[in-house]
Amino acid sequence: DAKTTQPPSMDCAEGRAANLPCNHSTISGNEYVYWYRQIHSQGPQYIIHGLKNNETNEMASLIITEDRKSSTLILPHATLRDTAVYYCIVRVAFGGGSNYKLTFGKGTLLTVNP
Amino acid sequence: NAGVMQNPRHLVRRRGQEARLRCSPMKGHSHVYWYRQLPEEGLKFMVYLQKENIIDESGMPKERFSAEFPKEGPSILRIQQVVRGDSAAYFCASSPGTGADTEAFFGQGTRLTVV
Repeated sequence: DAKTTQPPSMDCAEGRAANLPCNHSTISGNEYVYWYRQIHSQGPQYIIHGLKNNETNEMASLIITEDRKSSTLILPHATLRDTAVYYCIVRVAFGGGSNYKLTFGKGTLLTVNP
Repeated sequence: NAGVMQNPRHLVRRRGQEARLRCSPMKGHSHVYWYRQLPEEGLKFMVYLQKENIIDESGMPKERFSAEFPKEGPSILRIQQVVRGDSAAYFCASSPGTGADTEAFFGQGTRLTVV
């Protein structure tokens, strides 16, 4: 299974861009990178996912390096409500078929400061 | 993730009782995943079900825990003879398919407290 490495914590000033890095050097060619976040005690919230191209939606942008060994989640204008644990996950197959599950690591605790 | 409904949101059980946690997936989703989060710890995969089938239960404790996803109705995670160590938040997620390019959406969880 591809593993991810994230810094345990980061700080960001309110209104500034938050750039959260993730290393996934053992990722396979058909595995996607997913980002979720968990605001204190709530259910994990889907943010974005991608394969090789950069992706953008209303919440964030995902930048994946050309070799796919790392990626960065960008929150363009962080607010206090973005304080959460952010999980970078490589979605892996199991059972030899096309079934996939999400395996959560420890994530990055992003604290947005006023 | 508002579409995945879990109930109850909070459940208190005495040691030895049974706990039943329910998860209604988003409309059109036939795949359900259950996760457990112990206090101050990360999310741990428990079981993955499709309608009427358990696909992967590698994260389920061998005893006292069971899960089902019947043809009709919600998915149920059942914990028999609860112990204090079962106190945790239990989250379910649903997805419409199993492809690597398919998002899974989570509910708000059931917080089980065993007293």
